[in-house]
Amino acid sequence: AQSVTQPDIHITVSEGASLELRCNYSYGATPYLFWYVQSPGQGLQLLLKYFSGDTLVQGIKGFEAEFKRSQSSFNLRKPSVHWSDAAEYFCAVGERGAQKLVFGQGTRLTINP
Amino acid sequence: DAEITQSPRHKITETGRQVTLACHQTWNHNNMFWYRQDLGHGLRLIHYSYGVHDTNKGEVSDGYSVSRSNTEDLPLTLESAASSQTSVYFCASSELAGAHETQYFGPGTRLLVL
Repeated sequence: AQSVTQPDIHITVSEGASLELRCNYSYGATPYLFWYVQSPGQGLQLLLKYFSGDTLVQGIKGFEAEFKRSQSSFNLRKPSVHWSDAAEYFCAVGERGAQKLVFGQGTRLTINP
Repeated sequence: DAEITQSPRHKITETGRQVTLACHQTWNHNNMFWYRQDLGHGLRLIHYSYGVHDTNKGEVSDGYSVSRSNTEDLPLTLESAASSQTSVYFCASSELAGAHETQYFGPGTRLLVL
């Protein structure tokens, strides 16, 4: 069965600094991969997704992620964070031929002014 | 604008009571999902539906049931609430079948079982 690991439970960065959130997955074939963001008290919003083609994926709000098959990773990056990026971020994997998603535990991002 | 709503947003209940959480979407999406979110576990799938009268069990379905009588609604019922079901519940929907499809999430319902 597929699984997702987000090794960092909580990350703090300064406003304007670069950001990388880690995501590792376990799946036998090429997976569908997603990053969702959850602002406090809100539902989840899709940032970006990968299912084929270019391994560098651009998303909303200036985020990007790179699929690395050799490392089973799909890390999320942003060159310069804003205070409004403070939120919880979830990586998820979808199984080809199915509809279900499996989510990681989430990474809470705090931004220092 | 089309949207997905959940009600109530907050609920306190007692052990053993039956509780129903509502989910309503106006996108006319065929696929609807219920997740629970717990600290350290991320989101876990409870039940899902691919269309009217279709329901399927997810990873953590014990103690929960759903029914799909129309496209717009997928209510989640806790048959006999337990303290272990204290959680935040999210409903989601997607237009087409397939794990690559984007799921759109509601704002969540925070449930406390005393």
